[in-house]
Amino acid sequence: EVQLVESGGGLVQPGGSMRLSCAASGFTFATYWMTWVRQAPGKGLEWVANIKPDGSARAYVDSVKGRLTVSRDNGKNSLYLEMNSLRVEDTAIYYCVRHSNWRFDYWGQGTLVTVSS
Amino acid sequence: QSALTQPRSVSGSPGQSVTISCTGTSSDVGHYNYISWYQQYPGKAPKLMVFGVSERPSGVPDRFSGSKSGNTASLTISGLQADDEADYFCCSFAGTHWVFGGGTKLTVL
Repeated sequence: EVQLVESGGGLVQPGGSMRLSCAASGFTFATYWMTWVRQAPGKGLEWVANIKPDGSARAYVDSVKGRLTVSRDNGKNSLYLEMNSLRVEDTAIYYCVRHSNWRFDYWGQGTLVTVSS
Repeated sequence: QSALTQPRSVSGSPGQSVTISCTGTSSDVGHYNYISWYQQYPGKAPKLMVFGVSERPSGVPDRFSGSKSGNTASLTISGLQADDEADYFCCSFAGTHWVFGGGTKLTVL
């Protein structure tokens, strides 16, 4: 059974940093693109970033470029999102998502990041 | 990187059909067939319902169908059931990134 379990969310002040983790199991992690999608409270979904299976390519939504960095450790079956210079508008539930054949087929339960003073 | 446009809400009675539209541009919906739809219940993670414009993952009822015409994709739910009441989001590849719609709340009357 595919499982994606996010952790690392919480409350952080504007300008602060936070690192999200996603533990993957039930599939061969090293062969899949992985994605972070976020959802602000009461709002829609927003694609944030993705990373190639071997980590050699990454892409980001314009609003997070230079502040958020996606990475992975295939030996630990883990996906990460390093978040710096956080803004109030980064407040959201962050979902770890498996990307398979041009679709987002498995989603974690999400972790809430709140940026507030 | 603008969001795709969906109606804020749609509604229908049990047994009826509803269609949710998703309008993009010639750079996303109009250019690629990598269009997917997701169902989300309150407080839950989204679930894939349709991909590749009109394909269904195993386990998704054939009451859910997708289509595309020009820059607009559509999700049709036929034979509405009470547990279809949820939020629905479309998504399209846009060349270098992915873009979601703002979401549509489906109410089953």
